[in-house]
Parts: sequence; structure tokens; C-alpha cells
Amino acid sequence: NAGVTQTPKFQVLKTGQSMTLQCAQDMNHNSMYWYRQDPGMGLRLIYYSASEGTTDKGEVPNGYNVSRLNKREFSLRLESAAPSQTSVYFCASLLHRPDDQPQHFGDGTRLSIL
Amino acid sequence: RKEVEQDPGPFNVPEGATVAFNCTYSNSASQSFFWYRQDCRKEPKLLMSVYSSGNEDGRFTAQLNRASQYISLLIRDSKLSDSATYLCVVIPTDSWGKLQFGAGTQVVVTP
Repeated sequence: NAGVTQTPKFQVLKTGQSMTLQCAQDMNHNSMYWYRQDPGMGLRLIYYSASEGTTDKGEVPNGYNVSRLNKREFSLRLESAAPSQTSVYFCASLLHRPDDQPQHFGDGTRLSIL
Repeated sequence: RKEVEQDPGPFNVPEGATVAFNCTYSNSASQSFFWYRQDCRKEPKLLMSVYSSGNEDGRFTAQLNRASQYISLLIRDSKLSDSATYLCVVIPTDSWGKLQFGAGTQVVVTP
């Protein structure tokens, strides 16, 4: 049982390049999330998807877009990467109904923008 | 004011000692609470859920105080492997899509 799988694990981009971070979960969870974590800071929510077909902005959505492709997959896209987007990105999933269950996290993507 | 606040620490704890720390939340409509641990820049991993009656898992005890709006984590007989950052997570009833994370409390267990 893989849980939450993120790809790639590491990536270096040049300013202005675009890329998509992939996330897939095999736990039949209804909600999925993208966070970023910067040194010395907590997790900040970029976007989330409460269920298939819906997405909502989190705390820091600027510069990002997301797609909930199906129940399993939730991708994060950087259209024009900026150095300020250098961070560790975590995808997470959660079964919300009928009761809140703990989030499960992927291993993270370490992204550097030069 | 942040919705979920934690003392960032670090809490320097001798091996074998007990350490406890809190997490305060501002939304009284919060319904679910969890403690996660995070090792240096790795993914957060669930440590334990926090139940209204309080709960224990081995050396770890979690408590919820709804009146004062905080949860606590106590680690007994600290091990070197307990060194990590501990994150609290709060799920509000009225905004269940947006989990709220604290910034974490760092614990350093020393020999």
C-alpha cells in the first residue's frame, strides 16, 4: 500500500520555467491538499480539493494552479517559476467523511528555483 | 493572531526526563485534533489523535481542554529518537476543508 506518492522528489528549475508536481493516493480519500514548507516555518496550504471536481485556494495560492484529475490524483502547476517558490512541497490526503481522519502525507518534493 | 499557535522551542530535554507543551487554537468550533511529528524536512507523520477524554499511547499522552482551547502533548521517559518537531493540527467544524497547522514545537533530547 503506497499511500501518498509524490513525483518528482527533487527538481531544479530556472526562473520562468514551468513544471507540474504530481500527487496520487491509493487510499480512496476524498480530500487532497498541497502545502509548502519553508525553513523555520510551518506548513502553509496552497490549494486543496475537498472532493473530486472541486478545488479551493488556501493561504498562499498565488503563482500556482491545481487540477484534481480524478479521485486519486491532484497536481500542482507552477506556470512561471520564481525564486520565492523555492520550497519543500508536500501533498496530503484525508478521509473527511463520516469522521475526520488524520492526513497522510507524501514524501515531499524539494524544489529549487534559480 | 494565528489560528493555531505553538511555542517554537526548542525544548532541550535530558534523556529520560518528561517534557510537555501546548498548542492553542482560536476557533471554538474546532472538532478534531491531532499531533504529528516531523523530522528534519521530512514529511509529517501522525503521532496520535487527541480525544476529548484524553488519551495515551505508550510514553505519549495527549489532552484536550476545550474550555481554554488548547491541546497538550506530554512525553514521558524521553528517548533520543524523540528529537523532532511536533505539529498540532486542528480541523474546524465550519471549515473542514482547511486543516489548521501549528508551526511546530522543536524538542531536542540530549544524552
